[in-house]
Amino acid sequence: SQQGEEDPQALSIQEGENATMNCSYKTSINNLQWYRQNSGRGLVHLILIRSNEREKHSGRLRVTLDTSKKSSSLLITASRAADTASYFCATDASGDKIIFGKGTRLHILP
Amino acid sequence: GAVVSQHPSRVICKSGTSVKIECRSLDFQATTMFWYRQFPKQSLMLMATSNEGSKATYEQGVEKDKFLINHASLTLSTLTVTSAHPEDSSFYICSAIGPDNTGELFFGEGSRLTVL
Repeated sequence: SQQGEEDPQALSIQEGENATMNCSYKTSINNLQWYRQNSGRGLVHLILIRSNEREKHSGRLRVTLDTSKKSSSLLITASRAADTASYFCATDASGDKIIFGKGTRLHILP
Repeated sequence: GAVVSQHPSRVICKSGTSVKIECRSLDFQATTMFWYRQFPKQSLMLMATSNEGSKATYEQGVEKDKFLINHASLTLSTLTVTSAHPEDSSFYICSAIGPDNTGELFFGEGSRLTVL
């Protein structure tokens, strides 16, 4: 069963704008991760945030985590055409298993 | 960073044949690997957890006799789709937990299986 659920399912923005994606999950977690997938390719790890962290930055990426609401957000600032991809959140639902959300398809318009 | 190689990237086969997909950790040892299946524009569905030297743990609804997983060494896990049918056509992706054990997964590039 899927643990995380992202919204929106699809997002189109102009290049240079910021993109925000949200993820909600159902059970307690130790950490939450965000991954990017270009069409027809494998996934690339973006950032991991632990349950005792509230915010984390990596370059143009900013991730927040609210364990009380069981939600996380991924913000991509100053978007570029190369950011066009699907973005998934993933949680450690139980033990070593990592379960992925449904993903947000991000399209950056030139 | 850790690299996971998956092969083949694309395979086309006839119904009734079996197809083997390999997943290798190139520069680290992976005691645990995961196999996912992904339908177009959908999320990754965890099929099974592959453990080196022991039987794989399959998710509910995944036929273990249909999707044979072997993790014979610390750097190789294989997924064999047996007696493939058109409905098995999909994108299969493997991943491994990285060597520093932070929980980060490293993914292969995926294998697109088309069963005619």
